[in-house]
Amino acid sequence: GAGVSQSPSNKVTEKGKDVELRCDPISGHTALYWYRQSLGQGLEFLIYFQGNSAPDKSGLPSDRFSAERTGGSVSTLTIQRTQQEDSAVYLCASSYAGQGTEQYFGPGTRLTVT
Amino acid sequence: KQEVTQIPAALSVPEGENLVLNCSFTDSAIYNLQWFRQDPGKGLTSLLLIQSSQREQTSGRLNASLDKSSGRSTLYIAASQPGDSATYLCAVRGVRTSGTYKYIFGTGTRLKVLA
Repeated sequence: GAGVSQSPSNKVTEKGKDVELRCDPISGHTALYWYRQSLGQGLEFLIYFQGNSAPDKSGLPSDRFSAERTGGSVSTLTIQRTQQEDSAVYLCASSYAGQGTEQYFGPGTRLTVT
Repeated sequence: KQEVTQIPAALSVPEGENLVLNCSFTDSAIYNLQWFRQDPGKGLTSLLLIQSSQREQTSGRLNASLDKSSGRSTLYIAASQPGDSATYLCAVRGVRTSGTYKYIFGTGTRLKVLA
């Protein structure tokens, strides 16, 4: 079946603009995660959804970052007033349930803020 | 606070060698541990998932072991091939705090297998 998909694959934006990144999880997966991978850094957890609710938002780096999930499926990560330090690859993952199950990752969105 | 370390950071080996990648974590109270590979410019591919109650998992030429008490996992790759060249990441999932589960990733081992 189809894997996790993300769009766009690449996004170049000017400093100060808002961007929206989209994630389509595997059908039937109730858990969804967003991560960020900066150049030379490990993966950094951002937010976790179980269904449409986000019990753990502790990884969001500032209030410019927000995310929502609708219909227990598609999720959107929004970055307002982008800064150059927001440049990174944003990865989305989904899993069948919240605990003990494998995470499946999408190909990521490479965000470049100029 | 859980910290995950992977050694070595980079490794270059001739084709056919058996090799071991190491992952260590500071808090042994984990729920599970997952090994991934990441190819340049691509997302992560899950390789093996080991639950905290398990000691090892095998898939083809890959074998991952878990020693929770010492905070270590190893990924063993048998008869390495050039197609194994990638960055290998381990991720540890902590036990539930405040009703949530969180994966903490290591910074990876960049493997190059020479033909």
